[in-house]
Amino acid sequence: DVKVTQSSRYLVKRTGEKVFLECVQDMDHENMFWYRQDPGLGLRLIYFSYDVKMKEKGDIPEGYSVSREKKERFSLILESASTNQTSMYLCASSPESLGNTEAFFGQGTRLTVV
Amino acid sequence: DAKTTQPPSMDCAEGRAANLPCNHSTISGNEYVYWYRQIHSQGPQYIIHGLKNNETNEMASLIITEDRKSSTLILPHATLRDTAVYYCIVRVVGYSTLTFGKGTMLLVSP
Repeated sequence: DVKVTQSSRYLVKRTGEKVFLECVQDMDHENMFWYRQDPGLGLRLIYFSYDVKMKEKGDIPEGYSVSREKKERFSLILESASTNQTSMYLCASSPESLGNTEAFFGQGTRLTVV
Repeated sequence: DAKTTQPPSMDCAEGRAANLPCNHSTISGNEYVYWYRQIHSQGPQYIIHGLKNNETNEMASLIITEDRKSSTLILPHATLRDTAVYYCIVRVVGYSTLTFGKGTMLLVSP
């Protein structure tokens, strides 16, 4: 069974802390994504990566960075957490192709910044 | 800049067919129609996709109009576990990311 695993289901951090959200996939997928989901705003793409050490900004990259040192792992970094980064964070992966593929999502990490 | 339009909510009785509409009047020839759903407190789950032909799998059927400007996702025998937000997404072939709209909240009742 294919799997995208996010390291934490719930996380509480203090304002100003550096926060790491980890995502691992076991499907040997080339593409990996980070989204955040907020009530009324839906899912918004933060960053994505189409290969190791490669990254592209999504729609809302401000305040975030990412790291992809290994194919199976994609990390989202909040350099200095702020309360407006309180959200549900979702990781996804998909294989490289001409686009005719499905994406697999993790269960999400609900981050609260206090 | 919404590429799809869906009703915000729909109701369905358990055991009946759920027909979820989606308008994508500006769809291009190289764009697929994808459907995902998100059950409460879970990540989105792929359901089905198509280009211009109707498609069916174990979860659902996808009916795309001949002009491709709209589509309907059909859950033939809805169950309580089908209660979820359903997202219709158009996606360019060769482009990896998915852009989610607000979707349709489907409530299946006993």
